Amino acid sequence: EAGVTQFPSHSVIEKGQTVTLRCDPISGHDNLYWYRRVMGKEIKFLLHFVKESKQDESGMPNNRFLAERTGGTYSTLKVQPAELEDSGVYFCASSQKRFTDTQYFGPGTRLTVL
Amino acid sequence: DQQVKQNSPSLSVQEGRISILNCDYTNSMFDYFLWYKKYPAEGPTFLISISSIKDKNEDGRFTVFLNKSAKHLSLHIVPSQPGDSAVYFCAASSNDYKLSFGAGTTVTVRA
Repeated sequence: EAGVTQFPSHSVIEKGQTVTLRCDPISGHDNLYWYRRVMGKEIKFLLHFVKESKQDESGMPNNRFLAERTGGTYSTLKVQPAELEDSGVYFCASSQKRFTDTQYFGPGTRLTVL
Repeated sequence: DQQVKQNSPSLSVQEGRISILNCDYTNSMFDYFLWYKKYPAEGPTFLISISSIKDKNEDGRFTVFLNKSAKHLSLHIVPSQPGDSAVYFCAASSNDYKLSFGAGTTVTVRA
């Protein structure tokens, strides 16, 4: 069974540009999450989808971040326009139905904003 | 406001000895706790979990202990092996699904 995949693995952009990150969860997982780790600190929750619906987006930093999950399958996270403080590693995770079901993480996308 | 804290950023242990990682939390609503392990350039990998109704859970070389009254949990790795060298994250959740993570502890196992 394929794990969670993320694309791209690295992205380097200039301040003010737009970047779109993609996440493909494990097939059949209803729950999809985005997290971010900035400068070796703790991994912080961004948002949670249940199928195609946003269940919780309390961790989204501001309205420059837009997440979508098309048809309840893959998800994209767009940052527009990117700022220096958006640099970090963006992780996607997926899980089955219950909150105690294990969240499986992808390898992350390292975003560098110059 | 960081609700999960790992106060030791690093730990060095000799191969074959015990590694003890500690984690404290502040949110009394947390009722599910996890440890994840992370190698460089990879995502976190689930290691072991414990529900708040238990005080101990064991899986092979890994044991997690939970002290609810102290809002403290620990991970014991016995015996430590070179492949255990990684960053270990403590995480907690309530029934809102989202995980709150600590900042991680880097474990180095010396041969």
